[in-house]
Amino acid sequence: KQEVTQIPAALSVPEGENLVLNCSFTDSAIYNLQWFRQDPGKGLTSLLLIQSSQREQTSGRLNASLDKSSGRSTLYIAASQPGDSATYLCAFSSSNTGKLIFGQGTTLQVKP
Amino acid sequence: SAVISQKPSRDICQRGTSLTIQCQVDSQVTMMFWYRQQPGQSLTLIATANQGSEATYESGFVIDKFPISRPNLTFSTLTVSNMSPEDSSIYLCSVVVTYTDTQYFGPGTRLTVL
Repeated sequence: KQEVTQIPAALSVPEGENLVLNCSFTDSAIYNLQWFRQDPGKGLTSLLLIQSSQREQTSGRLNASLDKSSGRSTLYIAASQPGDSATYLCAFSSSNTGKLIFGQGTTLQVKP
Repeated sequence: SAVISQKPSRDICQRGTSLTIQCQVDSQVTMMFWYRQQPGQSLTLIATANQGSEATYESGFVIDKFPISRPNLTFSTLTVSNMSPEDSSIYLCSVVVTYTDTQYFGPGTRLTVL
């Protein structure tokens, strides 16, 4: 059974800290991995997409890495801000069908 | 990118009734999906909406309970039939835009069944 595990489940940090969110997946035959952000009561916003042939992707203060051999991805957030407070979801697809398997998410709170 | 709209944004329904959720996207897309997010849970794929043919359902989801239509490339509907309180969830439409692998999500429909 394909599974995605995200650690920690919740995280609270003071503003300005650099932080790392972890995601592990069971299927090494990964097609791509995507990180999303979900604000309370809202839909999902795509943050970064990493193809299986890539090692990392960067967008602004966000950097996502992918290590297929160990079945892990990390999302690095630099200089965190209160506006970064949200739930971060990791999801992977094992084929080009587009079907995503989601983790349970990490709920981040950045305190001013 | 893609801008996705869903209607209704929320609804409160009585047990035994049905609700149809609409999803409209402003771009040409290759794939459309419907997901469910139960309270406090992550997302689970219900089905892939196929243009002009029957949807492809994931294990645990059946057409009689969740009939789906996709008459063209940019529009799909999901019906939640014969609802029970266990159907109370957020239902989200997602798409993969042509020539990309990035998946975009609609704002979701928050359904409460009494």
